[in-house]
Amino acid sequence: AQSVSQHNHHVILSEAASLELGCNYSYGGTVNLFWYVQYPGQHLQLLLKYFSGDPLVKGIKGFEAEFIKSKFSFNLRKPSVQWSDTAEYFCAVNENNAGNMLTFGGGTRLMVKP
Amino acid sequence: DGGITQSPKYLFRKEGQNVTLSCEQNLNHDAMYWYRQDPGQGLRLIYYSQIVNDFQKGDIAEGYSVSREKKESFPLTVTSAQKNPTAFYLCASSNSLGDQPQHFGDGTRLSIL
Repeated sequence: AQSVSQHNHHVILSEAASLELGCNYSYGGTVNLFWYVQYPGQHLQLLLKYFSGDPLVKGIKGFEAEFIKSKFSFNLRKPSVQWSDTAEYFCAVNENNAGNMLTFGGGTRLMVKP
Repeated sequence: DGGITQSPKYLFRKEGQNVTLSCEQNLNHDAMYWYRQDPGQGLRLIYYSQIVNDFQKGDIAEGYSVSREKKESFPLTVTSAQKNPTAFYLCASSNSLGDQPQHFGDGTRLSIL
């Protein structure tokens, strides 16, 4: 079965620090990849997605992610975090032959200190 | 505005009771999903439905039941057979294509009295 790993469960950064959150998946076939964000008290929102083409995708609020097929990875990055980026981040993977089913990682809770 | 409405926001259940969580969407999406969110475990799929009058078990369906009588509605019943029901429950919907993102509701937090 497909699995998605987010190795960092909790990350604490100061404002203006750079961010990289890891995401690895186990499926060897074609995948669609997503990062979702859940701000405190809000619903999950789509941050960015990769379906095909340029493996470096840009999302909202200055976030980007790079798909590295050989490493089965889709790490999320932001050059300079802000206090408002404090949230929980979820990586999700859709196998291309599985309709629109998603497998989620365990989430990474990010706290940005002002 | 189109979206997904989950109700209630908070729900308390006594031991041995069944409770039903509501999920309604006006996005005209074919597919709907129920997830359970526990700290450190991400979202785990309980049930999903790709079309009206059809639904499938997800990874953790035991102790739960669903129905999909209308496209807009996908209620989840947490039965007394679910031994650890305290969790945050999220409903989502999407178009049927695999490259379409899922849209999420605000969730229902279920606690046991």
